[in-house]
Amino acid sequence: DAGVTQSPTHLIKTRGQQVTLRCSPKSGHDTVSWYQQALGQGPQFIFQYYEEEERQRGNFPDRFSGHQFPNYSSELNVNALLLGDSALYLCASSPALAGRSVGGTEAFFGQGTRLTVV
Amino acid sequence: AQKVTQAQTEISVVEKEDVTLDCVYETRDTTYYLFWYKQPPSGELVFLIRRNSFDEQNEISGRYSWNFQKSTSSFNFTITASQVVDSAVYFCALSEARSGGSNYKLTFGKGTLLTVNP
Repeated sequence: DAGVTQSPTHLIKTRGQQVTLRCSPKSGHDTVSWYQQALGQGPQFIFQYYEEEERQRGNFPDRFSGHQFPNYSSELNVNALLLGDSALYLCASSPALAGRSVGGTEAFFGQGTRLTVV
Repeated sequence: AQKVTQAQTEISVVEKEDVTLDCVYETRDTTYYLFWYKQPPSGELVFLIRRNSFDEQNEISGRYSWNFQKSTSSFNFTITASQVVDSAVYFCALSEARSGGSNYKLTFGKGTLLTVNP
């Protein structure tokens, strides 16, 4: 059973460029969340997709956008890259909780995409 | 707003020692979930344990145990008889509970780097 897979693993971009990162969730999971982890920090929530819609969003500018496809895979797009966007971008998947009264299942994370902006 | 504080930035122990990682959280929610994740050098966040706010029973799972105290908003994690392979960054995380739909976002602490020396 494949876990969460992300591509590419490493990426170097120039300031001002655009980047697209990809994520395939764990089998049986339909919710995908994206996190940004700066060096020496904990992951920060960017947004979450469920049923192909953005359901929750963290404190990130509109330069960060995403998409979820019918097969539950997801993309994270970042426009007009800044040096400060250099980080490890983590994708997490979890099963939806439809029909349950209380949430809280664990999220499964991919190995991340290391983005360096120069 | 939710907040997770891991006061210990780095801990270094010798193999077979017991080690406790501290976590203090803040939330205005009455229902929430607490997690511990491990991040080895490969970058992938590995789920370790989950506890909901209704259950303060402390448990032991193999070499792992946790101490959840609602009165002090603490969720400490102990590794017994540490091993070199336990060396990693450990993150404490907090999530609201919500009904139906997708899981809520995780709020992470800054992490504690644990080094277990042979």
